[in-house]
Amino acid sequence: NAGVTQTPKFQVLKTGQSMTLQCAQDMNHNSMYWYRQDPGMGLRLIYYSASEGTTDKGEVPNGYNVSRLNKREFSLRLESAAPSQTSVYFCASSPQGANTEAFFGQGTRLTVV
Amino acid sequence: GQQVMQIPQYQHVQEGEDFTTYCNSSTTLSNIQWYKQRPGGHPVFLIQLVKSGEVKKQKRLTFQFGEAKKNSSLHITATQTTDVGTYFCDFGAGSYQLTFGKGTKLSVIP
Repeated sequence: NAGVTQTPKFQVLKTGQSMTLQCAQDMNHNSMYWYRQDPGMGLRLIYYSASEGTTDKGEVPNGYNVSRLNKREFSLRLESAAPSQTSVYFCASSPQGANTEAFFGQGTRLTVV
Repeated sequence: GQQVMQIPQYQHVQEGEDFTTYCNSSTTLSNIQWYKQRPGGHPVFLIQLVKSGEVKKQKRLTFQFGEAKKNSSLHITATQTTDVGTYFCDFGAGSYQLTFGKGTKLSVIP
């Protein structure tokens, strides 16, 4: 029972490089989310996908793009990484929207130098 | 927009002491969820509160939802070192947005 799987767990990028963070859930959830977590800032929503085929901006979308590839997978892309994007990234899923139990992946620790 | 303040930001307690964290909203909430994140880990769901005045217990943890559904608290009785971590409330600012308070980081001194 994998739940929410994120890859990679750690990544170091140089400024200007691009990369995609992968997320997959096996719980048949409709809604998926990407968060970043910085010290003292809590969890800030980057993008979310209410259901397959839809994506919407969250609180801090600048510098990111997302793709809801299918119901299971929701990827986050950094086109041109900046040091300000150094953070821990979490993917989460929930059965249907907010106001319910959400399940988080293990996180990706990204450092941009 | 909806404003939710989670307090305190940090709390250091001696093992065996009690601990409480609060989420206070400027508007009425439909419901609220609580999560715990261990150091180096990911947030894990603890509980959901829906009804006005609701109180739920999980062993040494007591969760309350205010009568006006504008505030909520998580109380831990007789803390243990296993309680260390950051506790977040999710107050769901939108229908499809999990929206979290900044969290309360709990340290327990053995």
